[in-house]
Amino acid sequence: EVVLTQSPGTVSLSLGERATLSCRASQSINSNYLAWYQQKPGQAPSLLIFSASNRATAIPDRFSGSGSGTDFTLTISRLEPEDSAVYYCQHYGSSLWTFGQGTKVEIK
Amino acid sequence: EVQLLDSGGGLVQPGGSLRLSCAASGFTFSDYAMSWVRQAPGTGLEWVSAISASGYGTYYGDSVKGRFTISRDNSKNTLFLQMTSLRAEDTAVYYCAKMGPIPYDFFHIWGQGTMVTVSS
Repeated sequence: EVVLTQSPGTVSLSLGERATLSCRASQSINSNYLAWYQQKPGQAPSLLIFSASNRATAIPDRFSGSGSGTDFTLTISRLEPEDSAVYYCQHYGSSLWTFGQGTKVEIK
Repeated sequence: EVQLLDSGGGLVQPGGSLRLSCAASGFTFSDYAMSWVRQAPGTGLEWVSAISASGYGTYYGDSVKGRFTISRDNSKNTLFLQMTSLRAEDTAVYYCAKMGPIPYDFFHIWGQGTMVTVSS
């Protein structure tokens, strides 16, 4: 089982600032099998990024994903009010899907 | 528009059973694998179970193996999760999710969730 560890637990930034969220895997994974989801308060999660760096449909280009091996990053280049949410990374590509514990992004 | 409508949640006593449903619309249901993911109050996401497009392949997380059964009715565009021997730690919002066409894919679309509370 691939264990995903996200950091930091919470990040608090101002509007327009850059947010950098980390997801570290317990073993090297194929970057084709790493996704990111956004969950706003009281809502279901929604897909942001798949295959480590591909934005899902209608996701603004201020969201970008990168990484390989065991270290992956989600970057929000210029924070907007609607980006306040919890972000989860996920490993797929096997019959045991796993999620990181999430990073909460707060807007000051 | 692709839609997933989760239902069937509620309050159940420890040791009891419950069946969740997920009604799908807006896509060819029988072409896609599906999953259930849960979220206990104030915590993160936990994958529960998945089923192949045909229904022949089923997969379970360790915490529910032997107690939960995933199934689907492709003629009715509906996904199910039969939960038995429920425990307090099964208390969570349960989401169904549509996967893509490749095996073991990510979760493209999520339902709105249905709350399951296991308590005496």
